[in-house]
Formats: sequence, C-alpha cells, structure tokens
Amino acid sequence: SQQGEEDPQALSIQEGENATMNCSYKTSINNLQWYRQNSGRGLVHLILIRSNEREKHSGRLRVTLDTSKKSSSLLITASRAADTASYFCATVPMDSNYQLIWGAGTKLIIKP
Amino acid sequence: DTGVSQNPRHKITKRGQNVTFRCDPISEHNRLYWYRQTLGQGPEFLTYFQNEAQLEKSRLLSDRFSAERPKGSFSTLEIQRTEQGDSAMYLCASSFLGSGGYTFGSGTRLTVV
Repeated sequence: SQQGEEDPQALSIQEGENATMNCSYKTSINNLQWYRQNSGRGLVHLILIRSNEREKHSGRLRVTLDTSKKSSSLLITASRAADTASYFCATVPMDSNYQLIWGAGTKLIIKP
Repeated sequence: DTGVSQNPRHKITKRGQNVTFRCDPISEHNRLYWYRQTLGQGPEFLTYFQNEAQLEKSRLLSDRFSAERPKGSFSTLEIQRTEQGDSAMYLCASSFLGSGGYTFGSGTRLTVV
C-alpha cells in the first residue's frame, strides 16, 4: 500500500530556479526519506529526516518535516539539468519493523 | 563492495516461461528487499529478508512468485508461468536494520511477450 502522496505529480522549471516538491502521509512515522530515480534506473537515497527533526540540509537539498500536518517538502536550490528525475518520498511508519511505504513520485524536468 | 548488484539488467521472456533474477546486496547489510515498479508509479513491496529469514511477503506475491536468500547473502526471485501483467522493473534493495536509507540496485526490467 502507498502512504505518501507527492505533490505536484510533475514539475517543469528553468535551470537555475528552485524546485519544491511536497509529500503528505497518513500515519505516525519513525522517519521520512527522499529518493531520486533517473529514467529506467534504480533509486538513489538522498536524505533521511527523523520524526523529531524539523529541517535537514544536504548540499543543494533542504528537507522539512511537519509531523503535525503529516507533510514534508524537498527543496532543490539552483537546479541543474542533471536534477531531471523522479523524486519519491518514503516513510517508515511507527511499529512497522522499519519497512518503507512509498508515494507515487514527482517527475521533475529542468529545462536548460 | 560496489553496492547492490542485480542480474540480468533486462529479460524478455515468452508468456508461460519461468524467470529467475538475482540480487547481490551490500555485504554488511542484513536486510534485503524486493520491490516491483511499473511506469509512473512508486515501488510496490514484494518481500523482504532479514539475514536468511523471509519475514514478510506482500499479498501481491502470488504463489507463482518465490524468493530465497540462502545463507543470508545473495537472493533470487523466481516467477513461474509468467504472465504479461508481470512485466515491470524488479528492484532489489538492502539496508542495515535501524540505520536509515536503503541502497537500491539498478533493477531488472522484465518484459513478458
């Protein structure tokens, strides 16, 4: 079953602009993770944020988590053509034995 | 260790044939997961192992599907009597329990004709 819902489903922006993707989920979580997937390839882990954290940074990535709203956002600053990919959020629900529950993803296109 | 390795990368088979995929996880990881992904969708959980024990199987995993992880190392996923609906990307991932993110392989793309 899928818990996360990404928004928007697709996003197209100019190179250099910032890209923001959102994720909502339904149950209490242990942590939330963001992954990137290039077309036809496997998924790459980007960042993990725990339920007691509110914001996390990694290079050009910034992730926020609002557990009261059961939502997270992924911000990619100064986007590059190489950022073109699908981005998925995945949650580890409480008492889930550390299994990931996935959303359907946001397809991001960076126009040169 | 070069990450999670999956073989083959692509497999085309005729309906009704059996296929087997292999996954070699990161050696330090004690968990191994199999997912299926169709175009435009997120991964769907199939099954996972902790060491050599298969701890959970999805209801998606019909009796035509079987997975093994002998000795807690590599894993195989077999699909018997393939159907066109089995066409998908089959992803393997490994993790160390409690440490966070999963490491995925590049997947095996199955096409049933």
